[in-house]
Amino acid sequence: AQKVTQAQTEISVVEKEDVTLDCVYETRDTTYYLFWYKQPPSGELVFLIRRNSFDEQNEISGRYSWNFQKSTSSFNFTITASQVVDSAVYFCALSGGRSEKLVFGKGTKLTVNP
Amino acid sequence: DTEVTQTPKHLVMGMTNKKSLKCEQHMGHRAMYWYKQKAKKPPELMFVYSYEKLSINESVPSRFSPECPNSSLLNLHLHALQPEDSALYLCASSQVSSFGYTFGSGTRLTVV
Repeated sequence: AQKVTQAQTEISVVEKEDVTLDCVYETRDTTYYLFWYKQPPSGELVFLIRRNSFDEQNEISGRYSWNFQKSTSSFNFTITASQVVDSAVYFCALSGGRSEKLVFGKGTKLTVNP
Repeated sequence: DTEVTQTPKHLVMGMTNKKSLKCEQHMGHRAMYWYKQKAKKPPELMFVYSYEKLSINESVPSRFSPECPNSSLLNLHLHALQPEDSALYLCASSQVSSFGYTFGSGTRLTVV
C-alpha cells in the first residue's frame, strides 16, 4: 500500500522567513512519482513539481526548492523568503508504478503573516 | 488550452434533486478523474476513466454516477444525495499518471 505522511498540520511564519514542509512516503513500487500541489483558498490544486524515483537531483525554481532523498523516503519542500501569497494548503502526493491513483498526504496549511 | 474546466462552480441541491457536474479538457489527455474533498481533508479518489472506459471505482455509493461521453468530457450525475455528500468535487486529467495531473477549480456542492 502507498502512503504519504505530512506530519506538520499547520505552520505559521512571518514574511521573509524560510519554511520547510516535510513529506515522507511509503511504497513498494520501484518506479514511483512524487508531486507537490498548492491549494489556495479558491480551491484549485496547482501543480508545483513532479519527481520520479530515479531522479534524486534536488530542484530549485525561484524561491521554491525540493529535496528528494530515497534513503529516508522523504521529499521536502522549502520556500525561501516566504511571502503572504504563499499562504495555502500544500499537498505532497504519490503515484506508483502503473497505478492511476494519486495518493495525497493530509496537507500542511501554511500561513505567512505580514 | 492547458486547463480543466468544471461547471458549475457552486451548486446547492436538495436531497431529492438530480443534478450533474461537468468537466472538460482539451489537452488530449487520455485519463480523467473525479476526486471528492471534504473541508480540511485531502482529495479522495472516486472514479478514473481511461480511454473513456471506467477503470477505477473506489466503492463509491450508487447515488454518484459517472459518465464519459467522449475523451474530452466527464460528467458526474448526482441523485438522492445526503448532507454529508457536501464537499468540493474536483476533476482532473492526465496523459499518463507519471506526468502529473491537471486539476480543475472544482465544484462546491452543498446538499440541503
